[in-house]
Amino acid sequence: EDQVTQSPEALRLQEGESSSLNCSYTVSGLRGLFWYRQDPGKGPEFLFTLYSAGEEKEKERLKATLTKKESFLHITAPKPEDSATYLCAVQVGGSQGNLIFGKGTKLSVKP
Amino acid sequence: DTEVTQTPKHLVMGMTNKKSLKCEQHMGHRAMYWYKQKAKKPPELMFVYSYEKLSINESVPSRFSPECPNSSLLNLHLHALQPEDSALYLCASSQEAAGGITDTQYFGPGTRLTVL
Repeated sequence: EDQVTQSPEALRLQEGESSSLNCSYTVSGLRGLFWYRQDPGKGPEFLFTLYSAGEEKEKERLKATLTKKESFLHITAPKPEDSATYLCAVQVGGSQGNLIFGKGTKLSVKP
Repeated sequence: DTEVTQTPKHLVMGMTNKKSLKCEQHMGHRAMYWYKQKAKKPPELMFVYSYEKLSINESVPSRFSPECPNSSLLNLHLHALQPEDSALYLCASSQEAAGGITDTQYFGPGTRLTVL
């Protein structure tokens, strides 16, 4: 069974304290892995798409990496405005757009 | 521009009402999606439209009826809902829905639905 697991469920950081969020997956035929940020009561905001092991993408304080079994979202020197729930989703081959979501990591950054 | 718009932002309805949620995108995407999201849970796929045809229905009850009038618009018609249907309803779109590299889904802001 295809599965996506995110850890930790919640993460509290001080402003400037760098850390990483993990997304591990067991799927048959990964076509893409997606990271989204979601603020309370709003729709997920697209961050990154990763397609193959070894791929890395960066945007401001965020960097996403992908291996054959997991993806990391590294947050460097976070600010309070980075507080949100971060969702990881995977798409398997032939799934016609069906994303399998993890349960998310709720990040809180305190000033 | 990667904007997906949804109306209304909030909707309160009784169990006997009929209402519709609307979604629009102008990115030229040919795949559109409806998701349901309960509090503190990830989004759950409801429907997928590809080239204006329904390609996936994730066993959603018939009180939810999707419609794709054209490639830019997606509606979700609601009738005889139950209180447990209260949730955030999200629309998304992607360039294609074939499980390929053009499948990044962009989400709208959602409609917060409350069923009394």
